[in-house]
Amino acid sequence: EPEVTQTPSHQVTQMGQEVILRCVPISNHLYFYWYRQILGQKVEFLVSFYNNEISEKSEIFDDQFSVERPDGSNFTLKIRSTKLEDSAMYFCASSETSTIPAPLHFGNGTRLTVT
Amino acid sequence: GENVEQHPSTLSVQEGDSAVIKCTYSDSASNYFPWYKQELGKGPQLIIDIRSNVGEKKDQRIAVTLNKTAKHFSLHITETQPEDSAVYFCAASIGGSGNTGKLIFGQGTTLQVKP
Repeated sequence: EPEVTQTPSHQVTQMGQEVILRCVPISNHLYFYWYRQILGQKVEFLVSFYNNEISEKSEIFDDQFSVERPDGSNFTLKIRSTKLEDSAMYFCASSETSTIPAPLHFGNGTRLTVT
Repeated sequence: GENVEQHPSTLSVQEGDSAVIKCTYSDSASNYFPWYKQELGKGPQLIIDIRSNVGEKKDQRIAVTLNKTAKHFSLHITETQPEDSAVYFCAASIGGSGNTGKLIFGQGTTLQVKP
């Protein structure tokens, strides 16, 4: 069964550094998302992306965050200057458009640790 | 703001018993309600979903019910097995978002099925 893949599985970075989290969505999906889960808390929506632009973003997704689809397969989340509070599991998801709203399929996540 | 409340936070049952997890939501325009299962080290996996034009949906041992008037929905697992042990999340779409994929998640329920 097709799946969403994320790399790396674990990323450790120092405060103030830039990080890029990578995702390969399911190939025939057209909508892409990033969610995050701080340890012990709810899964939170960050951003949705369709047709090479952001469809919607949450208040968490400030100017330090950006997303990009640099080619036909990858979808990335960049954090320009990481803070301690950015430490979390970051999940990429994708969906197709045959139904609205369409089911989201999640990857296994990247654990980001900011020291 | 929009919110989803999920109960209980932990649930322990004997193998073969039933398990019920309940969620309430605040946005009356929500029209899509998925349930996700998350195993250790993995991303949320969609197990069943229901749309607002349906009151109940069943898939083998799993069923979901929706009461739009009361704004609550429930997950029912019958004949539980040890492999059902995981964290379960309910979620609700945010009304007016079309297919932006913005979901609000509940806090999660850790289900333990004892052999």
